[in-house]
Amino acid sequence: EAQVTQNPRYLITVTGKKLTVTCSQNMNHEYMSWYRQDPGLGLRQIYYSMNVEVTDKGDVPEGYKVSRKEKRNFPLILESPSPNQTSLYFCASGLTYNEQFFGPGTRLTVL
Amino acid sequence: AQSVAQPEDQVNVAEGNPLTVKCTYSVSGNPYLFWYVQYPNRGLQFLLKYITGDNLVKGSYGFEAEFNKSQTSFHLKKPSALVSDSALYFCAVRDMEYGNKLVFGAGTILRVKS
Repeated sequence: EAQVTQNPRYLITVTGKKLTVTCSQNMNHEYMSWYRQDPGLGLRQIYYSMNVEVTDKGDVPEGYKVSRKEKRNFPLILESPSPNQTSLYFCASGLTYNEQFFGPGTRLTVL
Repeated sequence: AQSVAQPEDQVNVAEGNPLTVKCTYSVSGNPYLFWYVQYPNRGLQFLLKYITGDNLVKGSYGFEAEFNKSQTSFHLKKPSALVSDSALYFCAVRDMEYGNKLVFGAGTILRVKS
């Protein structure tokens, strides 16, 4: 089944404790992206990647890191999480940015 | 900067009635426009897109959208709403400055009542 998977789906952590949210797709897509969804703000892009070893900042990259060492994986790293990073995070992939397939989401709470 | 606006936080419609979810855009140049839907506790799903061509675009689940250049709008429509259409709908536009990303609106909740 073609899909984008994210892990974990739910995470509660404390300020400053480094964490990684994994994202994997099995559709051989070149384009991958991370978004955060906050009430009233819609989806805002954090980072995106056009291909392996090619990443670029989105609209809200501060406090986040990504890497694209393999085509299928695009992990999101929070080196020192803060409460304002409490949000619902989505990973997406696509042949291009046009039609993106979204993962199920990761709900992160930073205390 | 490219942007889209969804002027209604929520739209309520009775089952069987036509529905419209509104979206207006602000871009430089010709817009690439998209609609996505998010069902409860799920990720977003692509519905349809307008790149060029006919102003009326047909998409998944019986939805269509009408591109209106003079009114800078891209409203989502369906002739007969279903209860199962209840979801959160996002309009998006290609970021013409960077070219490889989408800018999403804040979303509109659609509630279809039986």
